[in-house]
This record gives sequence, C-alpha cells and structure tokens, in this order.
Amino acid sequence: GAGVSQSPRYKVAKRGQDVALRCDPISGHVSLFWYQQALGQGPEFLTYFQNEAQLDKSGLPSDRFFAERPEGSVSTLKIQRTQQEDSAVYLCASSQRWGGLIYNEQFFGPGTRLTVL
Amino acid sequence: AQKITQTQPGMFVQEKEAVTLDCTYDTSDQSYGLFWYKQPSSGEMIFLIYQGSYDEQNATEGRYSLNFQKARKSANLVISASQLGDSAMYFCAMRAIIQGAQKLVFGQGTRLTINP
Repeated sequence: GAGVSQSPRYKVAKRGQDVALRCDPISGHVSLFWYQQALGQGPEFLTYFQNEAQLDKSGLPSDRFFAERPEGSVSTLKIQRTQQEDSAVYLCASSQRWGGLIYNEQFFGPGTRLTVL
Repeated sequence: AQKITQTQPGMFVQEKEAVTLDCTYDTSDQSYGLFWYKQPSSGEMIFLIYQGSYDEQNATEGRYSLNFQKARKSANLVISASQLGDSAMYFCAMRAIIQGAQKLVFGQGTRLTINP
C-alpha cells in the first residue's frame, strides 16, 4: 500500500485479556518502530526493528509487552494480561533507513486505540 | 537529559495569519535532528519538516519553515498563511541518543485551532 497501515483501528479489551496489534509498513522500509501515545501526550518509543532484528526494546514498559517482525515486513505488538494503564494509542512507523549516518523521516500509521476496561 | 519542551498547550489563530509554534530542546549531542509532525483528529502523524544540527540554513517546506536557533536550543515551526485544515496537534521531536541507541523523543504537543 501507499502508507503504513494498522489493524484494528480500535480495540476494547477486558482487563486480563491478551491483545495483538498489527502493523503493515511501507513496502521496502527496513526500519519499523512502535510508539505508545497516552491521551494528551506525545508518542513514547517502545521498540525498534531493522528488518527482522529487534535492535532496541528498551521502551517496552513490562514483560507483558512483546513485539515481533519475523519476516522483516509485518510486525505484531502483543500485550498479555492487559491492564487499565495500557489504554493508549499504539502507533507504528516505518523508515527507509534509521541508523549509522542515515536518518530518513519516519512515516506513521493511523494507530490502534486500545481501551482496557 | 534528552528532552523536548513545547510550552504552548493550545493556540488560536485567525485564518490567513502566520503562526509560530515554540519548541526548545535539551541535548548534549553534537549531531542531532529536529522534526515537526502534524497529528489531525484522524490520529496519523504527518511529517512536516526536518532540520539537522549541522544545517546552516533554516529548513523550509512550502508554507512551513523552521526557525532554528542553535545557541538558544530552539526549533520553532512557522506556518505562513494559515488555513482551516491546519487545525491539529503539532509535535516537535528530536533524534537523540538514549542508552546508546538513536530514538525519536517527542514533546507534549501544541493544539492549533484556526478560526475562520
């Protein structure tokens, strides 16, 4: 597709449920990022992939959060045993290249709004 | 600490006027980059403009320009001839090294409302 797509756009989960959020990056983009955006705040970094390698997961708030990109394209962010504080918009972004001396702009998807009841 | 500060939670501007959105940053890196993104109510973050720390000239992209004052550590976004469609949240972000890795650090944003 022309841009980054995410699904579902909205997700309501009961506390304790597991959720999986999907991101389809722009075709050919090597780098993929996940961000968490709480209401009224700027996005905060969660994790970063270069191709299938997860190079940085320092922003994941707990071991309940897990991300993967097994074939270097589509990525899934999984949250286990969701809690109310996980309620936020989860944004995915992709970039042609990110690292070394090359930093292209990150293109963002529309996000998934997660509400945990 | 690597930090972005946007001190204007909200701004109201008349259509066709120019508007300046403030952004200050804190970094000890010599090489860094500054980005502005627009986030309309649909939620998608739209890239607007980029300024590298070594760029001597201010970046411009159509109606957007970045007023980069390195000594003051400020990177204000200027929108000329504002339009109703400019109403959105605007985020300033910095490419920074945190814990040895390059990341984008965002400010808290400014909500811009353009009045007809």
